[in-house]
Amino acid sequence: DAGITQSPRHKVTETGTPVTLRCHQTENHRYMYWYRQDPGHGLRLIHYSYGVKDTDKGEVSDGYSVSRSKTEDFLLTLESATSSQTSVYFCAISDRAETEAFFGQGTRLTVV
Amino acid sequence: RKEVEQDPGPFNVPEGATVAFNCTYSNSASQSFFWYRQDCRKEPKLLMSVYSSGNEDGRFTAQLNRASQYISLLIRDSKLSDSATYLCAVHGSSNTGKLIFGQGTTLQVKP
Repeated sequence: DAGITQSPRHKVTETGTPVTLRCHQTENHRYMYWYRQDPGHGLRLIHYSYGVKDTDKGEVSDGYSVSRSKTEDFLLTLESATSSQTSVYFCAISDRAETEAFFGQGTRLTVV
Repeated sequence: RKEVEQDPGPFNVPEGATVAFNCTYSNSASQSFFWYRQDCRKEPKLLMSVYSSGNEDGRFTAQLNRASQYISLLIRDSKLSDSATYLCAVHGSSNTGKLIFGQGTTLQVKP
């Protein structure tokens, strides 16, 4: 299995608080992705990165920011969590622009 | 229109049946395509890549139709263990690696 670790695996937080999710990889892959998964919506791309300090928005980026200061870490921040951000968040990595991606185990976030 | 679309199903089929899923994509410049399998509450796992010439792996066959902008997945001789959600994924045309998924198709194989 690809070396991808997401932390935390589960989190419950209150509305209005900031939350940061971490994705750590040991594969030295260039591309990293954050997705959210909700019933009826499949996987929706939030943000992705194509190199250190190089990031771009996905389909559902509002309310989220990301940072990638080194190859192995990709952070997803919810500046002020809302109940609509309750979801399962998956990180994925890929070594080239046209190749398959491998997923972390996911983070289940509940905003109350 | 969504960039990648799938019929969510569910597809309920008996063991031994052949079932096919399609996935349409909107960007004609898309370069690479994949099928993933996802079991309940687990992360998606790569099932197979989809090549222009088609790709077969045991009971599974994936095909690409660039003219009509869709990919397909055919499962022959369905097993109970094939019950899962099948997600298609499409890379965009740029070298930024943007990877978009469809919403997934649920397959339930019944005894």
